[in-house]
Amino acid sequence: QKEVEQNSGPLSVPEGAIASLNCTYSDRGSQSFFWYRQYSGKSPELIMSIYSNGDKEDGRFTAQLNKASQYVSLLIRDSQPSDSATYLCAVNTAGNQFYFGTGTSLTVIP
Amino acid sequence: GAVVSQHPSRVICKSGTSVKIECRSLDFQATTMFWYRQFPKQSLMLMATSNEGSKATYEQGVEKDKFLINHASLTLSTLTVTSAHPEDSSFYICSARDPRRNSPLHFGNGTRLTVT
Repeated sequence: QKEVEQNSGPLSVPEGAIASLNCTYSDRGSQSFFWYRQYSGKSPELIMSIYSNGDKEDGRFTAQLNKASQYVSLLIRDSQPSDSATYLCAVNTAGNQFYFGTGTSLTVIP
Repeated sequence: GAVVSQHPSRVICKSGTSVKIECRSLDFQATTMFWYRQFPKQSLMLMATSNEGSKATYEQGVEKDKFLINHASLTLSTLTVTSAHPEDSSFYICSARDPRRNSPLHFGNGTRLTVT
């Protein structure tokens, strides 16, 4: 079992819709969780961090964490074509190791 | 602003030559840095973990004699691609982590290497 798993997609949503990206992790003791966005040909950039159960909102982005179910999600409201990218979920495990999922490719259709 | 600086952003070299890529942490001291390689439309692949003052740890299948890593200070790691071949052409990305617990990984802007 991989440490972090994501659906590779591709995920397509129409402009203005909500895009929902999901991630599961295996280490129950994991403490911190991150979402990165990577545009084609660019390096990943951090867009959200979440450490506690529940929701964390930042503009159009909402990260959701459920430690009991060991999943993290990212919601993008009012999706824009500029949101088209690959989204990487990352987890810092109890052993302070950093693991990435393989990424979900998102396309927002104008 | 950027917390990890990577240079050069783009390099073209001839087969058989060596290329050095630098990765610097700007706002913190990084005892550990990571080097990734990414081919078009593929996932990030961790190549090696660079440890300040000690030998790097290479992932399975990565040739340590070909990809030389030096982490001589707490803010600088270098990756040298030796005797480059066209199949080494790729996007190389470094990352570093603020040692404070629960901090995220910060990425450099990447180096596009083309070997002719």
